[in-house]
Amino acid sequence: EDQVTQSPEALRLQEGESSSLNCSYTVSGLRGLFWYRQDPGKGPEFLFTLYSAGEEKEKERLKATLTKKESFLHITAPKPEDSATYLCAVQAPNSGYALNFGKGTSLLVTP
Amino acid sequence: GAVVSQHPSRVICKSGTSVKIECRSLDFQATTMFWYRQFPKQSLMLMATSNEGSKATYEQGVEKDKFLINHASLTLSTLTVTSAHPEDSSFYICSARVSSGGRSYNEQFFGPGTRLTVL
Repeated sequence: EDQVTQSPEALRLQEGESSSLNCSYTVSGLRGLFWYRQDPGKGPEFLFTLYSAGEEKEKERLKATLTKKESFLHITAPKPEDSATYLCAVQAPNSGYALNFGKGTSLLVTP
Repeated sequence: GAVVSQHPSRVICKSGTSVKIECRSLDFQATTMFWYRQFPKQSLMLMATSNEGSKATYEQGVEKDKFLINHASLTLSTLTVTSAHPEDSSFYICSARVSSGGRSYNEQFFGPGTRLTVL
């Protein structure tokens, strides 16, 4: 069974304190790995899609990387507005194009 | 990023009534849309996959006669919760998978969600 595990569940950082969020997955024949940001009471906001091991993508203070077993979301010098829940999802061949989500990492960045 | 709208954003209804939620991709075409529900402090759970011009595919445990899905065009899918009950109260979110329209193929964008409360 396909599984997606995100860690840590919650993370508290001071402004400017860089860190990484982890997404471990077990999927046969990964089609794609997706990262989203979700604010309370809102729909997820698309961040990145990664397709093959070794791939990296960047957007402002965020950088996503992918290996054959896990993905990391690196946050460099975070700001309070980066506080949100970050969701990782995988797309498997047997799921059509649907996404299987992890439980998310709740990030709080304090001034 | 690409825009997906949902309407209504919030609805309160009485038990036994039906509620229709619309999901539209505003600046791209989507042959496939998905419906998820999310309970407080939990992640998104896939309910069904909606394909334009064909019947929806439902996940195990989701009643297709209760959650009616119609994907009438490349930019519109609707979810109708029939005979709603309090246990159907949840946050319903749709997503649309890019098939054309100038965006990167296979990217998936989510709507803002619909908060359903059944009294």
